[in-house]
Amino acid sequence: EAGVTQFPSHSVIEKGQTVTLRCDPISGHDNLYWYRRVMGKEIKFLLHFVKESKQDESGMPNNRFLAERTGGTYSTLKVQPAELEDSGVYFCASNPSGAKNIQYFGAGTRLSVL
Amino acid sequence: AQSVTQLDSQVPVFEEAPVELRCNYSSSVSVYLFWYVQYPNQGLQLLLKYLSGSTLVKGINGFEAEFNKSQTSFHLRKPSVHISDTAEYFCAVSYNDMRFGAGTRLTVKP
Repeated sequence: EAGVTQFPSHSVIEKGQTVTLRCDPISGHDNLYWYRRVMGKEIKFLLHFVKESKQDESGMPNNRFLAERTGGTYSTLKVQPAELEDSGVYFCASNPSGAKNIQYFGAGTRLSVL
Repeated sequence: AQSVTQLDSQVPVFEEAPVELRCNYSSSVSVYLFWYVQYPNQGLQLLLKYLSGSTLVKGINGFEAEFNKSQTSFHLRKPSVHISDTAEYFCAVSYNDMRFGAGTRLTVKP
């Protein structure tokens, strides 16, 4: 069974550009989470989907970030326009309904904004 | 609200030595506790978890952790480390959402 997959593994863009990160959760997992780790800091929660609905988006830093999960399968996280402080590693995690506390993580996307 | 503090950002040790990675948490309610490991170029992998029951929890790769409610700690231990244990380790606490510590980078030297 495939784990959580994230694409791309690394993205280097210039300030002001747009970047879209993708996460494919484990098949059948209704819950999908996005997290971000800025260099040397803790991993911070961004948002939580249950199927296609945003359950909690309290961690989204500002309106330059847009997350979608159309159809309740894969999710995208778009940053537009990207700023220098958006650099970091973006993790995605998923779990099935009823297992809300044990999350399965992807390898992350390393975003570098120059 | 919950928070997690990992007291050491880097821990260098020699191969076959014991290691303890420290984690303290704060919460006004009962929580679940986790340790995740991230090997180079890989995702976060669950090492072990405490949900309830015995306070001594055993995980993969010979790691164990002890939940201490009075000290609000969940330290991770291994009696003898290998080179392959070199990785970054994250302590996490979960109630409604998951909060992580800043991570501890364990480097095992030959």
